[in-house]
Amino acid sequence: QSALTQSRSVSGSPGQSVTISCTGTSSDIGDYNYVSWYQHHPGKAPKLMIYDVIKRPSGVPDRFSGSRSGNTASLTISGLQAEDEADYYCCSYAGNYVWVFGGGTKVTVL
Amino acid sequence: QVQLVQSGAEVKKPGSSVKVSCRASGGTFSSYGISWVRQAPGQGLEWMGGIIPIFGTPNYAQKFQDRLMITADRSTTTVYMVVSSLTSEDTAVYFCARGTQYYDVWGGNSPQKDYFHSWGQGTLVTVSS
Repeated sequence: QSALTQSRSVSGSPGQSVTISCTGTSSDIGDYNYVSWYQHHPGKAPKLMIYDVIKRPSGVPDRFSGSRSGNTASLTISGLQAEDEADYYCCSYAGNYVWVFGGGTKVTVL
Repeated sequence: QVQLVQSGAEVKKPGSSVKVSCRASGGTFSSYGISWVRQAPGQGLEWMGGIIPIFGTPNYAQKFQDRLMITADRSTTTVYMVVSSLTSEDTAVYFCARGTQYYDVWGGNSPQKDYFHSWGQGTLVTVSS
């Protein structure tokens, strides 16, 4: 049950696109194909942004999109906005009613 | 609209235990899982364990198997977490989070499609001598 691997940080100017990657193994992302992404502003509760790899909950802007290839999932934020500055975490089911998060990626809007 | 309300901040001595509660309101309690997720200072989110009240048996991350206990009280729609043998490394904000997947006691469940949609406000646990 090792944490999923994410890049530590990524940055972009308003209006640009950034992509965050999340690498797991054949025991989690590669096996279950059900990845979620969470946005976390310090001091607040995390917020579900993407589930089932590509789906957005109601109310999440369509500039957030997800994808997966093999053991790696990605979150892309298009048209970056100031309020998108936050930490983002991927999460995958790892079997036996156990879940695992990624280490988190800090998104900075320049 | 599901709401999760957690108990207040705690300060504990090393070697002691802490108990944090998470009371759920709105929606069905027993058939949805509740997990505990923590964030230590400067660290990321870490899934610790969870419970689906209708099943009653908790599941834990390997790291916490020996000193984490999660229980659910269906009469008060409250889930409890007890962490024992505390060290300074357990200083963190602890969140409870409710899943999106409805679990049927008769089977046919898909835990891989379960996601954490509703979260508690977080409880700061400080471990210090």
